[in-house]
Amino acid sequence: DADVTQTPRNRITKTGKRIMLECSQTKGHDRMYWYRQDPGLGLQLIYYSFDVKDINKGEISDGYSVSRQAQAKFSLSLESAIPNQTALYFCATSDSNGRDAFFGQGTRLTVV
Amino acid sequence: EDKVVQSPLSLVVHEGDTVTLNCSYEVTNFRSLLWYKQEKKAPTFLFMLTSSGIEKKSGRLSSILDKKELFSILNITATQTGDSAIYLCALSGAGGTSYGKLTFGQGTILTVHP
Repeated sequence: DADVTQTPRNRITKTGKRIMLECSQTKGHDRMYWYRQDPGLGLQLIYYSFDVKDINKGEISDGYSVSRQAQAKFSLSLESAIPNQTALYFCATSDSNGRDAFFGQGTRLTVV
Repeated sequence: EDKVVQSPLSLVVHEGDTVTLNCSYEVTNFRSLLWYKQEKKAPTFLFMLTSSGIEKKSGRLSSILDKKELFSILNITATQTGDSAIYLCALSGAGGTSYGKLTFGQGTILTVHP
């Protein structure tokens, strides 16, 4: 089983719909992250959480929200999806040293 | 905001060539610099660099960090088609709310032709 699991792996949704991407981890890490990847732009940080009570905005948080339901779970929501949110989304975790990151397999989201 | 810039953005070579990928940054304080390889989906870890001037090696890949000139390089010798991927550089922040936060560069797309 993967250490960091994202669901769904692929999703097509319509403009204006609410959608949630889920991430769970078995590594016991405190820190969890959501990134977005567009061609030619590397990975951009959307939100991150250093523990269950801690939520921080990243570079591109507008249009997104997150929930850290437990140490092992960190979900990303698009309240009203728009086409320019079509991208590959990655969840990642790191330990309290924050030196390295472990990535999920990614969710490819298409908003039509 | 921390800034990480990779160059070139894309590179096409033939098998057997040696390539050097660059990562420069504008950060005064960070915990580590990381290199990842991304093939089809999730990035996979290659190297973590924390000290200047110490080369890390793994097979045909090697990397070094220069904290004075604020850059790192990733070398791949005797390239193979399986090296074709996006190579990502990231910094792990050190202070305040940046502690442990990863900031990525744009990535370098490497294509190795037979």
